[in-house]
Order: sequence, then structure tokens, then C-alpha cells
Amino acid sequence: GAGVSQSPRYKVAKRGQDVALRCDPISGHVSLFWYQQALGQGPEFLTYFQNEAQLDKSGLPSDRFFAERPEGSVSTLKIQRTQQEDSAVYLCASSLKLGVQGAIREQYFGPGTRLTVT
Amino acid sequence: QQPVQSPQAVILREGEDAVINCSSSKALYSVHWYRQKHGEAPVFLMILLKGGEQKGHDKISASFNEKKQQSSLYLTASQLSYSGTYFCGTEGGSGGGADGLTFGKGTHLIIQP
Repeated sequence: GAGVSQSPRYKVAKRGQDVALRCDPISGHVSLFWYQQALGQGPEFLTYFQNEAQLDKSGLPSDRFFAERPEGSVSTLKIQRTQQEDSAVYLCASSLKLGVQGAIREQYFGPGTRLTVT
Repeated sequence: QQPVQSPQAVILREGEDAVINCSSSKALYSVHWYRQKHGEAPVFLMILLKGGEQKGHDKISASFNEKKQQSSLYLTASQLSYSGTYFCGTEGGSGGGADGLTFGKGTHLIIQP
């Protein structure tokens, strides 16, 4: 079946603009994660949803970052008043519900959105 | 806290073996391994849960030493397709999904013909 899709794939924003990044997870995947990946670094956790509930947003770097998943499927990451330090690849990952022991299951990543703030 | 991966980079000839290590300063609930090729999404390799298990498929296997808070990924008889950046992602505490995975900085693996 279809994998995780993200749009747009590339986004160039002028400093101060607002952007919205979309993630379409694999159908039936309850858990959804957003990560930020800087050049040459590993993905860094931003926020986690289980269905429509945002259970953890401790990784969001500032109150300019906001994520939602209103119907428990598609998710949007919004960044207000973008800054140059927001330039990165934003990855979305989805997975099945947490395992029996409560552990995170294998995550399926989307191709990411490369955000460049000029 | 971010797990530490070693080595940072390794260059091998096709057919050689490689070991990539992942070490954490905090108690771990699970360790995940992913491979990412340039410009592509990370691809899942395997998960290891606390309990000191070892897993493997094909010529890629991994171990997890819960007491030492360490995991190692073993690549045997490497193939050209193994090239990429390998990340370990750790889940701490008692699980539950909170905080997502904490990824290391990655190990760059280059396989030459």
C-alpha cells in the first residue's frame, strides 16, 4: 500500500512568513510523530499524536510551532513567523499502536519537507 | 539525552564486515535502528526491547545490552546497497511513546566495490 506522504517536498519561506507542512500517514496507523532533522544530524523529536490526541509536544522548540491532527489521520505542522534557524528537513513518521509492552513500534517515515528560510 | 554512535564514519570494501555501536547514558526501554540514504527517508531495520535480545535478518543483526545501555549493529559481508547513514534511536524510561525516539548523530557507511 501507499507509504507516508508529505507535502510540499520543498518550501522556501522568507523570514517572518508562516508555513504549514502536511503529513498523510499510512492508513490505520494510530501513532504519528514529527521530527526535525538538521543537515548532518539525526532526526530530533518534536511531537507525538495517538489518534487525534497530542500526547507529547515537549520537543517543539518554541510557541511558534504548532501541530494538529484533528481527525486522527492527516496532520499539519505549522510554523509561525519563521526564522532562519527553522531551516531543516521536517520528517513525519507513523506507526501502529504502541506494542503490548508499551514500546514504540517500527516507524515508517515520509520523504520529509525541506524548509529553507531566507 | 542523545545516544552516542561510533564510529562516525567507516569505509569498507564490498564483502567486509562492520560494527556500529550506540551508547546511552540513561536507562533504555528499546533501541531502534534505521538506515537513511542521501535525500531519502530513514528506513526501519529492527527494534530491540530491553532484555538483552539479539535480532537479525539476512546479513544484518543487532544486540542490546540493557545493563550497559548499549546496542550494536552488525553488518556482515557488506553489499553496495548497505551504503548510507545508520541511526540508532532510543526510547527511555518505561516506554509509552512519550518523547518519541532520541536519535544519535548517525554513522556514515560507505561500501566500495
